[in-house]
Amino acid sequence: QKEVEQNSGPLSVPEGAIASLNCTYSDRGSQSFFWYRQYSGKSPELIMSIYSNGDKEDGRFTAQLNKASQYVSLLIRDSQPSDSATYLCAADNSGGYQKVTFGTGTKLQVIP
Amino acid sequence: DADVTQTPRNRITKTGKRIMLECSQTKGHDRMYWYRQDPGLGLRLIYYSFDVKDINKGEISDGYSVSRQAQAKFSLSLESAIPNQTALYFCATSDLGTVPETQYFGPGTRLLVL
Repeated sequence: QKEVEQNSGPLSVPEGAIASLNCTYSDRGSQSFFWYRQYSGKSPELIMSIYSNGDKEDGRFTAQLNKASQYVSLLIRDSQPSDSATYLCAADNSGGYQKVTFGTGTKLQVIP
Repeated sequence: DADVTQTPRNRITKTGKRIMLECSQTKGHDRMYWYRQDPGLGLRLIYYSFDVKDINKGEISDGYSVSRQAQAKFSLSLESAIPNQTALYFCATSDLGTVPETQYFGPGTRLLVL
């Protein structure tokens, strides 16, 4: 059973702080990893994808990947109240089919 | 216009009824997916289709069926709805050959089975 694990939270950070969201995955063959943001009752929206070890930055967001440790993280700098949402981590599945396994998400609360 | 659309957006039905949820996309993607989302359980894959002639079961396909009418249309049917199928249903699409292959979601259908 391929799994993607996330702390459900809530993770509370003050406005302007850095929010750090973490994710581990069990499938060593996973190559691509995704972070989605989901507001309550809405659909998941892609924030970033990453498939190389190291950091990838896009505006206030930085994704970090460590394949040896099977660990993915998302940093949100200068957190804003509008960042309050559930963040889903996902990993593609090895084995020839491009399916994706999603974590259950971490709820982030940015306190004004 | 939205790239991935789902109809209806909300549906209330009774136990035993057959219902269909529809998904259409203008992204030109070959691959389409149906997920359900329940509180605390995350997104779970029901069915996926990599082209019109290729349909596969996901992890929770029992009680569901699908039809890929065209590249752009993928429908999910509940043959005889039961209350534990109450959930938020999402359709998604992805483009074969892109790296990484990213899934894009429709707005969702909220289903309540009484």
